[in-house]
Amino acid sequence: EVQLVESGGGLVQPGRSLRLSCAASGFTFDDYAMHWVRQAPGKGLEWVSGISWRGRDIDYADSVKGRFTISRDNAKNSLYLQMNSLRPEDTALYYCTKDRNAASDRPVFDYWGRGTLVTVSS
Amino acid sequence: EIVMTQSPVTLSVSPGERATLSCRASQSVNSNLAWYQQKPGQAPRLLIYGAVTRATGIPARFSGSGSGTEFTLTISSLQSEDFAVYYCQQYNTWPFTFGPGTTVDIQ
Repeated sequence: EVQLVESGGGLVQPGRSLRLSCAASGFTFDDYAMHWVRQAPGKGLEWVSGISWRGRDIDYADSVKGRFTISRDNAKNSLYLQMNSLRPEDTALYYCTKDRNAASDRPVFDYWGRGTLVTVSS
Repeated sequence: EIVMTQSPVTLSVSPGERATLSCRASQSVNSNLAWYQQKPGQAPRLLIYGAVTRATGIPARFSGSGSGTEFTLTISSLQSEDFAVYYCQQYNTWPFTFGPGTTVDIQ
């Protein structure tokens, strides 16, 4: 059974940093691209960032480019999102998602974690 | 950026009836279109990808159609567990964008 378990969310002040983690199990982690998708409270879905199976190809939404960094550790079956210079508009539930494919350039999110809540407020 | 729109915003349907949800892209996404279902307090679940292919474990009452800019998700006979929000997503062109969602509720 595929499982994705996010952690690292919390309340943080504007301008500060937070690092999210996602522990994956139930599939061969290094065969697939992985992504972060977020959902602001009561709002729709927004793709944030994606990373290919080896980590060589990385993409970001414009809204987070230059502030967020995605990475993965295939030896640990883990995905990460380093979030710097956080803004109130980054407040959202952050989902770790598995791609159907190894490449990250045409993402279909076939499994989702339950999400970790990030709240940016003073 | 490709803008995805969905209609209607809310669809009120009785159990056993057919539901038809629409999704439109501001430019062609070919067949690179997925549909997701989200129930309150839960993560989204992949229903359809490639515009027409059901994901693993998805019942046959869910079907997708369309290509280019116009897409449809049809639920042939609504079950109680199908009342939820449905999102379409294009993955043809970066950035990968979602529609605002259609809520299917009980009439």
